[in-house]
Amino acid sequence: DAGVIQSPRHEVTEMGQEVTLRCKPISGHDYLFWYRQTMMRGLELLIYFNNNVPIDDSGMPEDRFSAKMPNASFSTLKIQPSEPRDSAVYFCASSSIGTGLSGANVLTFGAGSRLTVL
Amino acid sequence: AQKVTQAQTEISVVEKEDVTLDCVYETRDTTYYLFWYKQPPSGELVFLIRRNSFDEQNEISGRYSWNFQKSTSSFNFTITASQVVDSAVYFCALSEGYDYKLSFGAGTTVTVRA
Repeated sequence: DAGVIQSPRHEVTEMGQEVTLRCKPISGHDYLFWYRQTMMRGLELLIYFNNNVPIDDSGMPEDRFSAKMPNASFSTLKIQPSEPRDSAVYFCASSSIGTGLSGANVLTFGAGSRLTVL
Repeated sequence: AQKVTQAQTEISVVEKEDVTLDCVYETRDTTYYLFWYKQPPSGELVFLIRRNSFDEQNEISGRYSWNFQKSTSSFNFTITASQVVDSAVYFCALSEGYDYKLSFGAGTTVTVRA
């Protein structure tokens, strides 16, 4: 399996521009997570989906952020308009219900998308 | 409130030394899972281990070992005979109940010098 695939790997944009980050989860995984990593705040969960439906978006910073999962093999995280404080590494991860005791997943992370907003 | 605390920000050791990373968690759930992830300089996050709250048995995998103690809400990680390739940021994480999201600690940067 190719793992979780994220694009672009690096993005540099100017304040006010729209940014779209893309993620292809591992085939067969029914959970998809978007995390953001910054020096100041560490790894923060932004949103996660189950079977393409958003389950928890309480970590989405504000209305400028939106995430969609139109099908089981694709998700986007959009920032519009972008601001310098959005500069971070954005990780996508996917997982499936574990065997044995239910209730936990082992997340497989993508390589991340490093966003710089000037 | 911080659910996972990794008190050590950075640890530097010489190759072949043992290094122990501390992790203290906080939860009210009786069912929960604890994780360790590794983030090497290349940046990806790599899963190392998952433990559930009903299994306090310690685990060893090669040079890695984990000590889970519910009495002190700790899930510590030891690298035995460290190697330069162990240099990375290590994250402890928690998922509670039937919520699948992970809450990560701040991470501990381990530097192994040759």
